[in-house]
Amino acid sequence: DQQVKQNSPSLSVQEGRISILNCDYTNSMFDYFLWYKKYPAEGPTFLISISSIKDKNEDGRFTVFLNKSAKHLSLHIVPSQPGDSAVYFCAASEIRGKLIFGQGTTLQVKP
Amino acid sequence: SQTIHQWPATLVQPVGSPLSLECTVEGTSNPNLYWYRQAAGRGLQLLFYSVGIGQISSEVPQNLSASRPQDRQFILSSKKLLLSDSGFYLCAWSKGGSQETQYFGPGTRLLVL
Repeated sequence: DQQVKQNSPSLSVQEGRISILNCDYTNSMFDYFLWYKKYPAEGPTFLISISSIKDKNEDGRFTVFLNKSAKHLSLHIVPSQPGDSAVYFCAASEIRGKLIFGQGTTLQVKP
Repeated sequence: SQTIHQWPATLVQPVGSPLSLECTVEGTSNPNLYWYRQAAGRGLQLLFYSVGIGQISSEVPQNLSASRPQDRQFILSSKKLLLSDSGFYLCAWSKGGSQETQYFGPGTRLLVL
């Protein structure tokens, strides 16, 4: 049973435009959500997180939105840059800080 | 600042051979430690986590085991590797508790032939 799903395996956007990556979850007990960025053959890098008591968190070009009623999470990157090309994982935290990861979305930003 | 190390970076091992991957964390004490595996084209699967020395929780039944002999050292082992053990192994740490971010090491790519 996949508790965290990223239904789009890939996304391609033009440099300067907005990238929107989506994530859905099924467990209403999740209380903390994170986005990680991963380059090939490297460990994931933490990008941004959001607590379930908030609906938006912003850090520079990255904004995460949380819609608890829809059990939906999204990451907006504005403006997108070629260096943003990577695999993006969303993750949700349950008790004891264990993270459940989505399958990942490969973002390609074209110059 | 905190740093997490993993070694080796790459490993090619024959089927049936033993395995030992090591992870160490610097700059923090009593971290929660985690082992993940990323199979080709798939997401991250939690294998083991530890909240303290000698305390290991296994998430999935498998051919692997984990140990935590010291506070900031986490080891992933196998007595006999299988072809299906190939993948990218990642160690992570967090401060523990709820709503804590996990930080990942650089990973070890394991190829079992």
